Amino acid sequence: GNSVTQMEGPVTLSEEAFLTINCTYTATGYPSLFWYVQYPGEGLQLLLKATKADDKGSNKGFEATYRKETTSFHLEKGSVQVSDSAVYFCALSGETSYDKVIFGPGTSLSVIP
Amino acid sequence: GAGVSQSPRYKVAKRGQDVALRCDPISGHVSLFWYQQALGQGPEFLTYFQNEAQLDKSGLPSDRFFAERPEGSVSTLKIQRTQQEDSAVYLCASSPGGAQYFGPGTRLTVL
Repeated sequence: GNSVTQMEGPVTLSEEAFLTINCTYTATGYPSLFWYVQYPGEGLQLLLKATKADDKGSNKGFEATYRKETTSFHLEKGSVQVSDSAVYFCALSGETSYDKVIFGPGTSLSVIP
Repeated sequence: GAGVSQSPRYKVAKRGQDVALRCDPISGHVSLFWYQQALGQGPEFLTYFQNEAQLDKSGLPSDRFFAERPEGSVSTLKIQRTQQEDSAVYLCASSPGGAQYFGPGTRLTVL
């Protein structure tokens, strides 16, 4: 079945450091890929998405590229801020518009001044 | 515009009690999903509605869990005879198709 694997946390970075959170997936067909973020005390928010191979999703300085050849969707940001401290979830859904979302286990990021 | 809302935000139940969790989706969203998020883990799918039809309930962990969406809008997740392992955050999401938009969740603690 479909599944998502992402790097173990927690990750601690200094402000302005470069961030990469690795994510790989297993799926049949052509899933849509997502990154969701959960800030402390808040609900899940969609950070970015990509719906087909080679698409790049971007938002708030974060980027991820849908790589079908490596079944990956790594999250990157060039310069993190303290306000980026949160838990990041890589996720996928199937080809139909109404498929359930399958989440990875989450990666906790702490950014220190 | 209003997002997905859930109530109550926090619920404490004694083992064996029944609980009901409510979800108000974004107006006009056809699809509604329920997820369970255990502490330190990613959300896991419970059930899916398209309008009032429950099309997938494969993720419900036992027959103590029941969900409904009788008029294709508000949904209720009911857990009968709660057990300690039911303690989790229950998330509701709605979608017009494609990305899902999540509510803040209901944190259920079963003592």
